[in-house]
Amino acid sequence: DQQVKQNSPSLSVQEGRISILNCDYTNSMFDYFLWYKKYPAEGPTFLISISSIKDKNEDGRFTVFLNKSAKHLSLHIVPSQPGDSAVYFCAAWGQTGANNLFFGTGTRLTVIP
Amino acid sequence: EAGVAQSPRYKIIEKRQSVAFWCNPISGHATLYWYQQILGQGPKLLIQFQNNGVVDDSQLPKDRFSAERLKGVDSTLKIQPAKLEDSAVYLCASSRGRQETQYFGPGTRLLVL
Repeated sequence: DQQVKQNSPSLSVQEGRISILNCDYTNSMFDYFLWYKKYPAEGPTFLISISSIKDKNEDGRFTVFLNKSAKHLSLHIVPSQPGDSAVYFCAAWGQTGANNLFFGTGTRLTVIP
Repeated sequence: EAGVAQSPRYKIIEKRQSVAFWCNPISGHATLYWYQQILGQGPKLLIQFQNNGVVDDSQLPKDRFSAERLKGVDSTLKIQPAKLEDSAVYLCASSRGRQETQYFGPGTRLLVL
């Protein structure tokens, strides 16, 4: 069962515009959420995170929004740059017993120059 | 600070053969993780170590997979015998402690023929 879902496998955006990547989760026990970015032939790299006590966290061009009632989070990249082209994974952990990090299936972002 | 190192980067074997992967975490990181990432999916945790003890191996197919972290630093993951469905990227990650940011290595891409 997929507890973290990324329903859009791919997204294309023009350089300079906003990229919005979405993520849904099913387990209400999750209390910490992360976004990882992955380039080909490399491991995922940590991008930004948010605790469930917040609804927004910002780091430069990257902002993560959390809507706990909807069990939904999103990553906004403004402005998008060609170097942002990568696969983005949403991940979550919490008081689920095993303290494991659960990943979504990823969204491939392509930023068109 | 050196990142997580993994070797080999690529491995091709025939089904029923054995294979081993090696991971050297970031210095000082007590927690080490092995993930399996099948094409088109997000990473799935196989096993988590805290120092040299196993925290969680509930998702590890123990009839064929084994892992150890004898001195609380390096770790090896072994598959014996391999099956076709084991074809995946095997990622190692480490963190200072549990539920802290995980840093990933580049992964080992395994192809079982």
